[in-house]
Amino acid sequence: ETGVTQSPTHLIKTRGQQVTLRCSSQSGHNTVSWYQQALGQGPQFIFQYYREEENGRGNFPPRFSGLQFPNYSSELNVNALELDDSALYLCASSLARKGNTEAFFGQGTRLTVV
Amino acid sequence: GDSVTQMEGPVTLSEEAFLTINCTYTATGYPSLFWYVQYPGEGLQLLLKATKADDKGSNKGFEATYRKETTSFHLEKGSVQVSDSAVYFCALRGVTSYDKVIFGPGTSLSVIP
Repeated sequence: ETGVTQSPTHLIKTRGQQVTLRCSSQSGHNTVSWYQQALGQGPQFIFQYYREEENGRGNFPPRFSGLQFPNYSSELNVNALELDDSALYLCASSLARKGNTEAFFGQGTRLTVV
Repeated sequence: GDSVTQMEGPVTLSEEAFLTINCTYTATGYPSLFWYVQYPGEGLQLLLKATKADDKGSNKGFEATYRKETTSFHLEKGSVQVSDSAVYFCALRGVTSYDKVIFGPGTSLSVIP
């Protein structure tokens, strides 16, 4: 059983550019969530995808968007990058079902915007 | 909305000292509660969880009890080791229709020999 994997591990972009981050969910999981963790803070929920549709969103602007593919992997896209977008981006996968589910996190992608 | 508050760090302890990191939450209904740990340069690992009132989660010598009456989920360990040095996040998952996890700000722990 493979865990959650994210790519790339590190990335440097220039303000105004666009970036795509990728996540492969754990085997058997059908739900993917993305979080932004600024330095010294707790992760903040960006959005969640289930069955290829966004089904929950945190307080992030529309320039943060995502996709989920039929194999449940996911992408996070950020347009018009700003300096404050510099953060660790975490992907978490889980199996949506009735009752309690556990989210497993990847190692994250460290994005630096200069 | 739902929220998590935890004690400010950093916390510095000597090896074999007793650890308590306080965590309180605000949520409607009966959320699930978690402690996650983040080692330097790494992602998040689930340390323990509790899904209903009076449940005790435990793992690697760490424990936390879900206290509905005080809306608390304090993390404890009887004897810390240098390898426990990390950032600890208290978190909850509410009763919404999706698996959003709300995290506290984190508490940095340093254990010195």
